[in-house]
Amino acid sequence: DTAVSQTPKYLVTQMGNDKSIKCEQNLGHDTMYWYKQDSKKFLKIMFSYNNKELIINETVPNRFSPKSPDKAHLNLHINSLELGDSAVYFCASSRDSGTGELFFGEGSRLTVL
Amino acid sequence: QKEVEQDPGPLSVPEGAIVSLNCTYSNSAFQYFMWYRQYSRKGPELLMYTYSSGNKEDGRFTAQVDKSSKYISLFIRDSQPSDSATYLCAPRTGRRALTFGSGTRLQVQP
Repeated sequence: DTAVSQTPKYLVTQMGNDKSIKCEQNLGHDTMYWYKQDSKKFLKIMFSYNNKELIINETVPNRFSPKSPDKAHLNLHINSLELGDSAVYFCASSRDSGTGELFFGEGSRLTVL
Repeated sequence: QKEVEQDPGPLSVPEGAIVSLNCTYSNSAFQYFMWYRQYSRKGPELLMYTYSSGNKEDGRFTAQVDKSSKYISLFIRDSQPSDSATYLCAPRTGRRALTFGSGTRLQVQP
């Protein structure tokens, strides 16, 4: 049974479109994250939610909007997609916001044409 | 200067070799030093971590931290082809989210 699951795994879309990525965790964790991994494998934090409350909001274009309907779900919506948004987006969860033990999903590979 | 620097590799070694993977960091406030392993087209998974300076051993893996020189190492003994992956160091303070290095790609040749 997958602990952190993301959908879709692959997403190919045109510039200017809007797309969403969904994430669910069944670990009972309080904290969830979105990370972006670029082509050079650099993994960068975007957002973090703790019990549905936004606690980390890094310098990310406001075209990116996270939403946490409950503590088991964290979605990412991206408006007006640009070429530079092409990357692998990873969802992760942790027991709480004070631990460095993160459990990652398998990633959602976004390609913007 | 990036907060965390890693040599991207690839580092290619024969099976059975001892592997040394290294990171340097700039933020002296880092207290916890995590190592994540990422297989191709998978998410990272926590391998091990240490708190402050010193060594920690877990099976074939040893993590070492030298806070005075801001240098982090991961040693793999008797390396196996299944160890082929990208290794990411991730130091952190108690409050901030993890800051990942860009990872070192390791290839262990059978």
